[in-house]
Amino acid sequence: QKEVEQNSGPLSVPEGAIASLNCTYSDRGSQSFFWYRQYSGKSPELIMFIYSNGDKEDGRFTAQLNKASQYVSLLIRDSQPSDSATYLCAVKDSEERTYKYIFGTGTRLKVLA
Amino acid sequence: NAGVTQTPKFRILKIGQSMTLQCTQDMNHNYMYWYRQDPGMGLKLIYYSVGAGITDKGEVPNGYNVSRSTTEDFPLRLELAAPSQTSVYFCASSTGQGGKLFFGSGTQLSVL
Repeated sequence: QKEVEQNSGPLSVPEGAIASLNCTYSDRGSQSFFWYRQYSGKSPELIMFIYSNGDKEDGRFTAQLNKASQYVSLLIRDSQPSDSATYLCAVKDSEERTYKYIFGTGTRLKVLA
Repeated sequence: NAGVTQTPKFRILKIGQSMTLQCTQDMNHNYMYWYRQDPGMGLKLIYYSVGAGITDKGEVPNGYNVSRSTTEDFPLRLELAAPSQTSVYFCASSTGQGGKLFFGSGTQLSVL
């Protein structure tokens, strides 16, 4: 069973701080990695994707990927109360011609004003 | 564009009843998915489809059936509802090839 693991939290950070969310995955052949944000009672929305080792930055968000360690992280700089949500890590299954995505259980982030 | 549309938004079923959750997308995506999300949990894949006429099981298919007669529609059928199927159901679509998932707004289902 392929798995994606996240700390469920809640992770509490003060406003303006950096929030660091982490994710590990078991499928060594995975090539595509995603971070979704989900507000309470809403559907997930994509905020970042990364395919290559290293860092990818988009505004206040930075995704980091280390395939050797099977580790993906999301950094949120200058955290705002509006960032309070659950963040889901998703990994595309490496099995050919399946196009399945495996989700972690999510990390709940609380940004304290 | 409407994107991915799910109906109904809420439904209460009695044990043993049947229902169909509707999902339609207007983005011409080949890939469509049904996920369920239990409280405090991530998304579990029920079924998925890579194109009209082609469906396959995900992690938790028991108690569900799907069909895909058109590119746009991917209904999920519950034949004999059980309390264990109380959950929020999300339909999603994708262009495939490692692309992002576009989610519908979800259906909250309670089986009592």
